[in-house]
Amino acid sequence: DAGVIQSPRHEVTEMGQEVTLRCKPISGHDYLFWYRQTMMRGLELLIYFNNNVPIDDSGMPEDRFSAKMPNASFSTLKIQPSEPRDSAVYFCASSFDRGTGYTFGSGTRLTVV
Amino acid sequence: QKEVEQNSGPLSVPEGAIASLNCTYSDRGSQSFFWYRQYSGKSPELIMSIYSNGDKEDGRFTAQLNKASQYVSLLIRDSQPSDSATYLCAVNKHTDKLIFGTGTRLQVFP
Repeated sequence: DAGVIQSPRHEVTEMGQEVTLRCKPISGHDYLFWYRQTMMRGLELLIYFNNNVPIDDSGMPEDRFSAKMPNASFSTLKIQPSEPRDSAVYFCASSFDRGTGYTFGSGTRLTVV
Repeated sequence: QKEVEQNSGPLSVPEGAIASLNCTYSDRGSQSFFWYRQYSGKSPELIMSIYSNGDKEDGRFTAQLNKASQYVSLLIRDSQPSDSATYLCAVNKHTDKLIFGTGTRLQVFP
């Protein structure tokens, strides 16, 4: 099992550019979560999917953020346009059932300059 | 009041000692509780889960849950320098999602 796979590992972009983060969950896991981690705010849930359907996007900070899950093995988180305050580590996590622990990917460290 | 609260630390303990990490939560209906370990620059890693009152032991780790007092703790026996990390408490209510505390940084010195 390769675990949750995220790409890229690091992303440096200029303010105003579009950023796309990618995630492949563990096969058989029905839940996929996108988190953002900063020193100030810790781990914040942005959005999660169940069986490819977005269930709760109340954590998405602004309309600049969007997420999709076109199939069971792939999800994207897009920021357009990016801003310096979006700089953070973005984690994708998956789980096979509600109420169970998550497995996290390695994260994408995003820097917007 | 935060939904899940942890002391940010750092908690410094000597090698071989017991490290005690605590977490309180606000929602009395919370049902599942987890401890994650996160090394600097790495992703959180699940180390313990607990669902009912009492203690659960796994190797050097013991999770303790007291629903009446709304706290969950993690004990690390025979602490090693390799245990130095941030420990995140996570709580699940009647929903699909986990709410994380901001973590406690543990430092184990030789």
